[in-house]
Amino acid sequence: AQSVTQLGSHVSVSEGALVLLRCNYSSSVPPYLFWYVQYPNQGLQLLLKYTTGATLVKGINGFEAEFKKSETSFHLTKPSAHMSDAAEYFCAVSDRNNDMRFGAGTRLTVKP
Amino acid sequence: NAGVTQTPKFQVLKTGQSMTLQCAQDMNHEYMSWYRQDPGMGLRLIHYSVGAGITDQGEVPNGYNVSRSTTEDFPLRLLSAAPSQTSVYFCASSSRALHNEKLFFGSGTQLSVL
Repeated sequence: AQSVTQLGSHVSVSEGALVLLRCNYSSSVPPYLFWYVQYPNQGLQLLLKYTTGATLVKGINGFEAEFKKSETSFHLTKPSAHMSDAAEYFCAVSDRNNDMRFGAGTRLTVKP
Repeated sequence: NAGVTQTPKFQVLKTGQSMTLQCAQDMNHEYMSWYRQDPGMGLRLIHYSVGAGITDQGEVPNGYNVSRSTTEDFPLRLLSAAPSQTSVYFCASSSRALHNEKLFFGSGTQLSVL
């Protein structure tokens, strides 16, 4: 089965700094990759997804991610962090069998 | 515009008790699923359904049952609760084959088993 590894359970950045959240995946078939965000006491919301086509994917709130097959990675970035970006972020991979697997999550803290 | 509705929001059970977590969606989604969220482990898939009358096991199905008698509802049953089932449970739905569509999540049920 496919799996996801998120490097770093906690990431702290200053407001205005670059955000980089790392995700590596394992899949026996071409993967479909997702980033979700969870704000406190809420369910998850989709930030962006990669299915096919362009490997650089832009999402909501200024986030983007690049699918790199050779590195089996799908890292999430944002050029300038905002206080409202503080949340937990989950990378997920899905195969053709309707089975979506999530990573353990990365909690992003944004310092003023 | 309700989306995915989960009830209850909080529940405390004693070991051995049974209960059903309810999940309903009003978007006519074919795909529905249940996840549990535990610290440091992210979300783990319990069971999922690709349509009424069809269910399948996910990553951690033991101790849980599901059924899908209608498109709208996908209840999760704990037959004999155990402390290891203390977790936050999320229901999610999607309009078509999962790999090409985003999941819509409910707001979660926080379950404590004493």
